[in-house]
Amino acid sequence: DGGITQSPKYLFRKEGQNVTLSCEQNLNHDAMYWYRQDPGQGLRLIYYSQIVNDFQKGDIAEGYSVSREKKESFPLTVTSAQKNPTAFYLCASSINTRNTEAFFGQGTRLTVV
Amino acid sequence: QQQVKQSPQSLIVQKGGISIINCAYENTAFDYFPWYQQFPGKGPALLIAIRPDVSEKKEGRFTISFNKSAKQFSLHIMDSQPGDSATYFCAASPKPYSGAGSYQLTFGKGTKLSVIP
Repeated sequence: DGGITQSPKYLFRKEGQNVTLSCEQNLNHDAMYWYRQDPGQGLRLIYYSQIVNDFQKGDIAEGYSVSREKKESFPLTVTSAQKNPTAFYLCASSINTRNTEAFFGQGTRLTVV
Repeated sequence: QQQVKQSPQSLIVQKGGISIINCAYENTAFDYFPWYQQFPGKGPALLIAIRPDVSEKKEGRFTISFNKSAKQFSLHIMDSQPGDSATYFCAASPKPYSGAGSYQLTFGKGTKLSVIP
């Protein structure tokens, strides 16, 4: 089945630690995205990538980093610099950034303890 | 500055009734307007989308109405069912190469719909 797989579904992190969220897609999409979702805030764009080895900051990139070494993979690292990291993180992909019909993964809920 | 304003924040509808969710946008370069449905603990799924060359699009019980001059669009759910209870997001993105900068989707803040039996 084609789709987007995010792992893990739930993640707990101690304050001061970096943590990496996984996102893999087998849709052969060029563009991939990371969104953060907080209650009542909608979806806010963290980073996006149009092609392998390229990525751009979104609206709330501070405290986050990404890489795009393979077309299928777009991992997100939440660093200790992110002041309020507890949130629901969603990865998405689209054919390319000119076609914004986005398909989402099932999300990772990160909790800082 | 929020570019897509969605209302209401929450909505309670009787089974069989019509659910209406509204969105307004500011950026005249927007030309793709999707609606996403999200169940608790899941990722959003594309429900229906419209481009400004038509004023209405219908898929089953779901209809998008689009008013270009007012810069508004809305989702109507006919014969609402308890299984429709979810959070709905409107979104918008600009035409590629329109000079609007980012071509990514801008989302509204969501509407939590509860359909009661």
